[in-house]
Amino acid sequence: DTGVSQDPRHKITKRGQNVTFRCDPISEHNRLYWYRQTLGQGPEFLTYFQNEAQLEKSRLLSDRFSAERPKGSFSTLEIQRTEQGDSAMYLCASSSTETSGRRTGELFFGEGSRLTVL
Amino acid sequence: RKEVEQDPGPFNVPEGATVAFNCTYSNSASQSFFWYRQDCRKEPKLLMSVYSSGNEDGRFTAQLNRASQYISLLIRDSKLSDSATYLCVVNAVGQNFVFGPGTRLSVLP
Repeated sequence: DTGVSQDPRHKITKRGQNVTFRCDPISEHNRLYWYRQTLGQGPEFLTYFQNEAQLEKSRLLSDRFSAERPKGSFSTLEIQRTEQGDSAMYLCASSSTETSGRRTGELFFGEGSRLTVL
Repeated sequence: RKEVEQDPGPFNVPEGATVAFNCTYSNSASQSFFWYRQDCRKEPKLLMSVYSSGNEDGRFTAQLNRASQYISLLIRDSKLSDSATYLCVVNAVGQNFVFGPGTRLSVLP
């Protein structure tokens, strides 16, 4: 399978604990995005990378959130001192900056990591 | 004001109906426009890109009005399998992809 994969698929944690999510993008994609989605809402942008460089980070993202993409391949998203409001689906997506006709810039999403903070 | 806004929905329509979704965006620097589809408890997937001249893909037609910063999606002869949430997405060069809140469609038998 050469799609975007995320791990773990589900995480239940107690408030105050740290959690880390991993995303493996499509191998030839140089851009990787993290989004958060809650029920009934669209995906909310968190951050994105081009290769290993973090190009943009949402102003809404607290300093408890950090993301890395050390070798320009997989990425991790860490949430420190989790709060109940962090409960959401965390979606990773990848894309290529190479043009490919009408599907230029298409985002390919993983199935997400669902976080529940008790 | 949110950067991308959509009809609140939900839309409940009978099979065979034509349904239109509207979307407005606030960033005038936006260059690329898309409609994504998201099934319940699944990840979003690209439905179609939206071009300035408008474009059609089978039963789906997308329109863009840059002056009004408005995007639309028309679904003709709706099928039960069209039931999903439709997400409007805009992107400015070098910036992230901004998603609207989505409009849920239920096609009823």
